[in-house]
Amino acid sequence: NAGVMQNPRHLVRRRGQEARLRCSPMKGHSHVYWYRQLPEEGLKFMVYLQKENIIDESGMPKERFSAEFPKEGPSILRIQQVVRGDSAAYFCASSPFGASTDTQYFGPGTRLTVL
Amino acid sequence: DAKTTQPNSMESNEEEPVHLPCNHSTISGTDYIHWYRQLPSQGPEYVIHGLTSNVNNRMASLAIAEDRKSSTLILHRATLRDAAVYYCILRDRSYGQNFVFGPGTRLSVLP
Repeated sequence: NAGVMQNPRHLVRRRGQEARLRCSPMKGHSHVYWYRQLPEEGLKFMVYLQKENIIDESGMPKERFSAEFPKEGPSILRIQQVVRGDSAAYFCASSPFGASTDTQYFGPGTRLTVL
Repeated sequence: DAKTTQPNSMESNEEEPVHLPCNHSTISGTDYIHWYRQLPSQGPEYVIHGLTSNVNNRMASLAIAEDRKSSTLILHRATLRDAAVYYCILRDRSYGQNFVFGPGTRLSVLP
């Protein structure tokens, strides 16, 4: 039973380029969460999605960031026109039901470096 | 938001028990107490969670105070692989479904 998969594990972009981060949830999980962890800081929630729906995007920056979780395929976190401050580890988690008692299973993360 | 307070860091010797405290004096009746840990360069990993009663699993035990204003994560025999940042998190439906991570406790395990 494969866990949460994220790719790429490491991504290097120059300022102004686009970054696309992918997350495949655990089998049978239809709830996906994205978190960002800046160097030496804790994880910060960004967005919560179900299949084809954004449920909570209260942690997403208003500009340049978007997320989707299509009916088929992985969830995508997209960062347009990246800046140096976007350099961070981005973690995806999934859960089966979205309930408050659910365990969230985290992927290994994508480490984004913006040059 | 119901917040948690944890020591910034703790040390333990290998093969000894470790008690990681967490204060949550503003906890509400519907908040679950979750513990996750993050090993270096990895994503967070579920450890244990509970509501009112003490909980045990293969990784750890969770002792919850009777008034629920504090809890303690117990690792019965620390190993070098337990060196990680441990996060105590309260989760309530009113906050949506995300976790709010604090700075956690960085546990060092000495051989």
